[in-house]
Amino acid sequence: RKEVEQDPGPFNVPEGATVAFNCTYSNSASQSFFWYRQDCRKEPKLLMSVYSSGNEDGRFTAQLNRASQYISLLIRDSKLSDSATYLCVVNPLRLNSGGYQKVTFGIGTKLQVIP
Amino acid sequence: DTEVTQTPKHLVMGMTNKKSLKCEQHMGHRAMYWYKQKAKKPPELMFVYSYEKLSINESVPSRFSPECPNSSLLNLHLHALQPEDSALYLCASSQARGPLSYNEQFFGPGTRLTVL
Repeated sequence: RKEVEQDPGPFNVPEGATVAFNCTYSNSASQSFFWYRQDCRKEPKLLMSVYSSGNEDGRFTAQLNRASQYISLLIRDSKLSDSATYLCVVNPLRLNSGGYQKVTFGIGTKLQVIP
Repeated sequence: DTEVTQTPKHLVMGMTNKKSLKCEQHMGHRAMYWYKQKAKKPPELMFVYSYEKLSINESVPSRFSPECPNSSLLNLHLHALQPEDSALYLCASSQARGPLSYNEQFFGPGTRLTVL
């Protein structure tokens, strides 16, 4: 089983639709979770950190379900500009003294919003 | 300011050349990372520096040589690369507050490297 699994898509949705992505992780000790957005030939950009209580930022809502070991991203009222690849990133907790984190990336889910 | 800068944006080099990639951040982050990304794949970790010390080398070939001159700068020296090393090279930085913290990584725009 992969450490972090995502459906690669593509998800083709009409403008204005609501779309949701899930990401499962295998290490139950994982401590921190993130969604990044990556446009074609650009760098990943942090979209949201995902906290235990869930969090919302405008049209974007992220949830964490520790019992089932998945995180989700919900995008409401999709815009053309939301078309991108959404990367799920998990810190699987490897104890170290240096403070850095070796995170694990999912393969990314491609979203295409259609006019 | 959440900006990480990288130079150059594009680099074409021959297999016998020596070149360097540069990365800079002024967010006070004490962890810096080099990633390699091929098309349609997620970023793949190469090196991690924490407090200017090399903490992780993911079995990267010696033709890639990282350097962290100070807490704001990260270099990647390239020598005798192969065509299969052509990729997007991304630098990232984060706080280094320990593994239980949310240390979000911020990425630079990357250097697109082509090895002929």
